[in-house]
Amino acid sequence: AQKVTQAQTEISVVEKEDVTLDCVYETRDTTYYLFWYKQPPSGELVFLIRRNSFDEQNEISGRYSWNFQKSTSSFNFTITASQVVDSAVYFCALSADYGQNFVFGPGTRLSVLP
Amino acid sequence: NAGVTQTPKFRILKIGQSMTLQCTQDMNHNYMYWYRQDPGMGLKLIYYSVGAGITDKGEVPNGYNVSRSTTEDFPLRLELAAPSQTSVYFCASSYGQGATYGYTFGSGTRLTVV
Repeated sequence: AQKVTQAQTEISVVEKEDVTLDCVYETRDTTYYLFWYKQPPSGELVFLIRRNSFDEQNEISGRYSWNFQKSTSSFNFTITASQVVDSAVYFCALSADYGQNFVFGPGTRLSVLP
Repeated sequence: NAGVTQTPKFRILKIGQSMTLQCTQDMNHNYMYWYRQDPGMGLKLIYYSVGAGITDKGEVPNGYNVSRSTTEDFPLRLELAAPSQTSVYFCASSYGQGATYGYTFGSGTRLTVV
């Protein structure tokens, strides 16, 4: 069975602080994909990143960075110099290579205060 | 660039009523999905389709039906609405298997059953 855990239910930071959102996953598949989605207050789901299980390189995109560590089954997401517009619920998700189902974590609600 | 379009955005149903949630995509994606998001939770797969004429159950299909007569459309039918179906419903599509290509989500339909 596949499972995604996001232990942080809610995080509040002050603008310009760095913040890391944790994601721990469980799967028996050797090939799988990990995702992060952002859900702003407007409700839509915005794709942020996809990473396959064979690529453990960290990735940086502007103020966003992701740390994938298979040894600890974690795929953490860091926002550097947070901004109020980063306030949203962030979901980590897992899917096996040939699976049709994304298993979503429960989400972490990030509030960035001015 | 319409992407994935869901209608309606909001709906209130009485117990026992029926309704159809519409989903249309204009990206010529073969794969389409319906998810529900309960308050404070991640998404759970209801039904999915890998092409016109082909549908299959996801994790939580009870109380729902789908059809896929065209590549573009994937409506979700609730036959006898129950309070447990109060949720936000997301339609998504992908070019190939979602795990490989990632999903494009619609903006969601917020359904309340009273």
